[in-house]
Amino acid sequence: GDSVTQTEGLVTLTEGLPVMLNCTYQTIYSNPFLFWYVQHLNESPRLLLKSFTDNKRTEHQGFHATLHKSSSSFHLQKSSAQLSDSALYYCALSRASSGSWQLIFGSGTQLTVMP
Amino acid sequence: DTTVKQNPRYKLARVGKPVNLICSQTMNHDTMYWYQKKPNQAPKLLLFYYDKILNREADTFEKFQSSRPNNSFCSLYIGSAGLEYSAMYLCASSRGWGGAHEQYFGPGTRLTVL
Repeated sequence: GDSVTQTEGLVTLTEGLPVMLNCTYQTIYSNPFLFWYVQHLNESPRLLLKSFTDNKRTEHQGFHATLHKSSSSFHLQKSSAQLSDSALYYCALSRASSGSWQLIFGSGTQLTVMP
Repeated sequence: DTTVKQNPRYKLARVGKPVNLICSQTMNHDTMYWYQKKPNQAPKLLLFYYDKILNREADTFEKFQSSRPNNSFCSLYIGSAGLEYSAMYLCASSRGWGGAHEQYFGPGTRLTVL
């Protein structure tokens, strides 16, 4: 079945260093939709990025990701981490099911940025 | 307003007792979802309503029920809570039909079953 894998459960790094959170997926669907959701402490998950175009970089709030269908990846990157980036990040895949669409989430990566 | 509201935010229940969780949105979204989130696990889709049509996941079919009396409200009902139901329950909604549509999440209800 469809699945999303986030290999790092916890990532801790120093402010100013680059961020890269890994995401790979498996799906039989040839045109998947991939998302990154972010959840700050005591807040709801909210959409950070989404993409369905192969090899096209998508950017928002300093973060960027590129969907690579050849490697089934959608890694999240940022050139310089900020303290406010500390949060739980979910990669998710959208698939059609029972007349609607549903998200398949990865297990999440907790990013902690230290001063 | 892109707010999804959930009530209550915290719920304590006894084993064997029923639990009813409420979600509301005023965005006129077609689809409303319920997820279960346990520590260190991915949010797991339990069920969703597309308009008035309820879709439940195969492995949770008998454990959870839901109703959507109108477009804005959706409930999650557990007839007899077990210890394994302790989790965060997230409600979400999305507009329209299509894989690219964003889901808007509520703050969650933390259910503890004792």
